[in-house]
Amino acid sequence: DGGITQSPKYLFRKEGQNVTLSCEQNLNHDAMYWYRQDPGQGLRLIYYSQIVNDFQKGDIAEGYSVSREKKESFPLTVTSAQKNPTAFYLCASSTVGTAFYGYTFGSGTRLTVV
Amino acid sequence: DQQVKQNSPSLSVQEGRISILNCDYTNSMFDYFLWYKKYPAEGPTFLISISSIKDKNEDGRFTVFLNKSAKHLSLHIVPSQPGDSAVYFCAASVSGNQFYFGTGTSLTVIP
Repeated sequence: DGGITQSPKYLFRKEGQNVTLSCEQNLNHDAMYWYRQDPGQGLRLIYYSQIVNDFQKGDIAEGYSVSREKKESFPLTVTSAQKNPTAFYLCASSTVGTAFYGYTFGSGTRLTVV
Repeated sequence: DQQVKQNSPSLSVQEGRISILNCDYTNSMFDYFLWYKKYPAEGPTFLISISSIKDKNEDGRFTVFLNKSAKHLSLHIVPSQPGDSAVYFCAASVSGNQFYFGTGTSLTVIP
């Protein structure tokens, strides 16, 4: 079955450490996205990529980095520069130009800084 | 600045009655609108969408209404069922390039 896989589901990080969240899709989608969800704030866009080896900053990119070396993969690194990293992180993908069906989301990773 | 707003954080409805979830937007260039449903600790799943050339789209128990002049979107669920209890997000985009999400409305359907 096609879909998006995010791993791990839960992640704990010590302050000052970098962590990488995995996102893999087998839907043959061109575009991939990372969102962050905080209580009462909806989904905020961190980074997105519409093509391999290219990505753009979203609204809250500071303290995060991404790479897009393969069409199927779009890992997100939460760096120690991110001041408040505890949140629920969602990865999504879509086919560029098919706006009517929106994004397909993964099941999310909950990151907690301890 | 929030371009898509859902002003009701929560809504409770009796089973079998109608649920109406509202969404307002500020960007008149938005031309695609979607509703997503989200259960705790899961990713949102696509529910229904509408483009700006229509004012209504129906799929089973779910109907989305678009009022472009008021920049207002609503989702009607009839009849509401306990399994509909979830957080509902509306999202809007200009030609699908990037979707902007509302803050969500938590719907509780009471049996």
